[in-house]
Amino acid sequence: QQQVKQSPQSLIVQKGGISIINCAYENTAFDYFPWYQQFPGKGPALLIAIRPDVSEKKEGRFTISFNKSAKQFSLHIMDSQPGDSATYFCAASPGGNKLVFGAGTILRVKS
Amino acid sequence: DGGITQSPKYLFRKEGQNVTLSCEQNLNHDAMYWYRQDPGQGLRLIYYSQIVNDFQKGDIAEGYSVSREKKESFPLTVTSAQKNPTAFYLCASSILWGSSGANVLTFGAGSRLTVL
Repeated sequence: QQQVKQSPQSLIVQKGGISIINCAYENTAFDYFPWYQQFPGKGPALLIAIRPDVSEKKEGRFTISFNKSAKQFSLHIMDSQPGDSATYFCAASPGGNKLVFGAGTILRVKS
Repeated sequence: DGGITQSPKYLFRKEGQNVTLSCEQNLNHDAMYWYRQDPGQGLRLIYYSQIVNDFQKGDIAEGYSVSREKKESFPLTVTSAQKNPTAFYLCASSILWGSSGANVLTFGAGSRLTVL
């Protein structure tokens, strides 16, 4: 049972373009929504996270947009660079409990 | 540097053999986790432990076993009962649930198991 649905499965973006990855959830108890970045052969690492009391959070070129009513959140990577090529996972958790991960998106930024 | 060490990085197993993957952390984290990663399926939780000598099954625990005898160690055994064990296995840790920042997982570099 997948509680967090992530799309697309893979994404190719030109250098300098905007990468957009979307996630949707059903459990209204979720109150923490992180994104993890994973490079090949490595473990995932926390990239950016948001809580539902705000609609957007920006850290450098990475922005999370959150729509509580639609139960959706997305990651935007501005000015995408080849070094951003990685697998991205969205996740969600309720009240400090264990995370539920999306299926992942493989991003390739073409130079 | 604080972190999580997983070993071995690559492991080959014959069918019918049990194998144990090591996970050690020096972050003084209370909670530890094992995830399995398969292409297109994301990260699926196998087992997790919040304190020493206690652990719970995750979503795909069948064919796996764990122990938590020390705070810093959480080894995973892939038994012969696991029908499709070839995968990338990730160990993670976090501070105690209910604490601020408890949702933040720190992952190891992973162990890739291949069954021959």
